[in-house]
This record gives sequence, structure tokens and C-alpha cells, in this order.
Amino acid sequence: GAGVSQTPSNKVTEKGKYVELRCDPISGHTALYWYRQSLGQGPEFLIYFQGTGAADDSGLPNDRFFAVRPEGSVSTLKIQRTERGDSAVYLCASSLVLAGANEQFFGPGTRLTVL
Amino acid sequence: AQKITQTQPGMFVQEKEAVTLDCTYDTSDPSYGLFWYKQPSSGEMIFLIYQGSYDQQNATEGRYSLNFQKARKSANLVISASQLGDSAMYFCAMRNTGNQFYFGTGTSLTVIP
Repeated sequence: GAGVSQTPSNKVTEKGKYVELRCDPISGHTALYWYRQSLGQGPEFLIYFQGTGAADDSGLPNDRFFAVRPEGSVSTLKIQRTERGDSAVYLCASSLVLAGANEQFFGPGTRLTVL
Repeated sequence: AQKITQTQPGMFVQEKEAVTLDCTYDTSDPSYGLFWYKQPSSGEMIFLIYQGSYDQQNATEGRYSLNFQKARKSANLVISASQLGDSAMYFCAMRNTGNQFYFGTGTSLTVIP
């Protein structure tokens, strides 16, 4: 079956622009996570969804970042007024439920470069 | 504060030998989960092994085992019989009671033929 997919794979934008990053989780997975991974670092938690609602968005760095999952499947991470410091790989992961050993399946990531 | 510490930025191991990657964590949550992921140069994150905070036995998955010492708050990954394909970044992660995930800074493992 299909894994987690993310589009685009690469995004280059200019400072101040708006970007949207899309995540298609594995079908049937109720939990969806967004992470940001900077060069040489581990993934940094941003937000997770259980179903349609954002169960925890405490990792979003500021109000320029927003994420939605309107139908409980596809999610979009939105970044307004991008800054050079937003450059990173944005990873999405999904899991069947939020509990126990249910592993997260990661997508290939979107590499965002802000010029 | 929740924190994962991986103190080994880089490790080398001879092919077919065993290697231990260190991980310590800091949490006040009574219930949590510990995970190890592998990230090859291609960038994908691959789940390796899981240990629950209440599990009595150390987790094992094939050549991977997790040396869980709860009192010391350590969750070291042991890879036995290293293979060239094991060369990658390895991340330790913790899921807290609130279902947030925290990752360490990773250890780069190089397997030498």
C-alpha cells in the first residue's frame, strides 16, 4: 500500500512569501504529526492531529505557522511571511492511533528553502 | 522539561561487530514511550524499535535491542552483527503522556568493511 506522501518534495521561495506544504497520510491513520528538521538536528515537533482537530499545536514556533486537516486525512502546513530561518525539511508522519507501540510512518519530507 | 540527549555525534563500528548508541531522556511523566529511528542519507525516517515505560523486558527486534534502564533514564540501542547498510543517522525519541514526540540530535553511525 501507499506510504505517507508529501508535496512538493522541494520548495524554493522568497522571503516574505506564503507557502503551503501538503501531507497525505496512510489511509485509515487517525494521528498525523508535523515536524521540522534543520540541518544536523533531529526532528522538532510542531503539531499533531487526532482526526480533524489539532490536538496539540504547542510546537508551532509562532503565529506565522498554521496547519489544517479538514477531513481528517490530508493535512496542509501553511507558513505566512516566510523568513530565511524557516528553511528546513518539513516532515509529516502518521500512525494508526495515538498509543503504545504504534509507530509513526514518516513521509519523505518537503525541503523548504527561503531565499 | 522534556529532553532527549544523544552524546555521540559520530560512531564507527567494524562490520559484523556490535555497537551501542547512547540515549538518555528526561521526563517527569509517569508513562512514556521510547523509540529509535534510522535516517539514511536518502532522508526517510525508519522506525526500528519501541520500549514502553512500563515494559518489564527490554525490547528486541531482530538485530536491534533496546537496553532500557529506567532508574538511569537511559534507552541505549544495541545493533548486533553490524552491516554496511546500517550506516546512517540514528535518532532516539520519546513520546510523552501528552503524545508529543521529542527527538535527540542523532548519532551518525559508520560501518567499516
